[in-house]
Amino acid sequence: DAKTTQPNSMESNEEEPVHLPCNHSTISGTDYIHWYRQLPSQGPEYVIHGLTSNVNNRMASLAIAEDRKSSTLILHRATLRDAAVYYCILTTDPTSGTYKYIFGTGTRLKVLA
Amino acid sequence: DTGVSQDPRHKITKRGQNVTFRCDPISEHNRLYWYRQTLGQGPEFLTYFQNEAQLEKSRLLSDRFSAERPKGSFSTLEIQRTEQGDSAMYLCASSLWGSNYNQPQHFGDGTRLSIL
Repeated sequence: DAKTTQPNSMESNEEEPVHLPCNHSTISGTDYIHWYRQLPSQGPEYVIHGLTSNVNNRMASLAIAEDRKSSTLILHRATLRDAAVYYCILTTDPTSGTYKYIFGTGTRLKVLA
Repeated sequence: DTGVSQDPRHKITKRGQNVTFRCDPISEHNRLYWYRQTLGQGPEFLTYFQNEAQLEKSRLLSDRFSAERPKGSFSTLEIQRTEQGDSAMYLCASSLWGSNYNQPQHFGDGTRLSIL
């Protein structure tokens, strides 16, 4: 299973944009990039996912490098409720196989008021 | 969409006892996953079902662990003869899978197991 590397922690000021990086140098052509976040005492929450093109949704944007060896989750205006552990996960072709998630230790985001 | 629900939220038991957790997935989801999470770590895959069939088990799932999903609806995870090392958060997730699509997994809030 392809691995991801994320910084252990990051800090941001409230209402400022946050860029959370993820390196996945061994990504294969069929691997999707998923981002989840986990608040204390809750299960992981889906944020966004993509394959090659940049993606936007109501929660965040996902910027994927042209060579796909890295990606960045962008929170456009951080709020205190965005403080969580953010996981970058690679998944193999979701239409076949187990499609299990391999979590790393994630990035703990601290938002300062 | 009522989300994935897990019961109980917390379970405290003595070493050597058996425990059973329940997961109710989102109703139309045909895939159901179990993960285990220890403090400071990301969740680790344990097993998954497609409908009622258990299709893969991690080597983390020792023979003291058993999971079922009768009728392809709710699932149970049982741990027999619990050990200190079983203390963790047990997470359930579900997703809708088809031959040409697979939606992201939706997670419940977990069952936290503490072994005394």
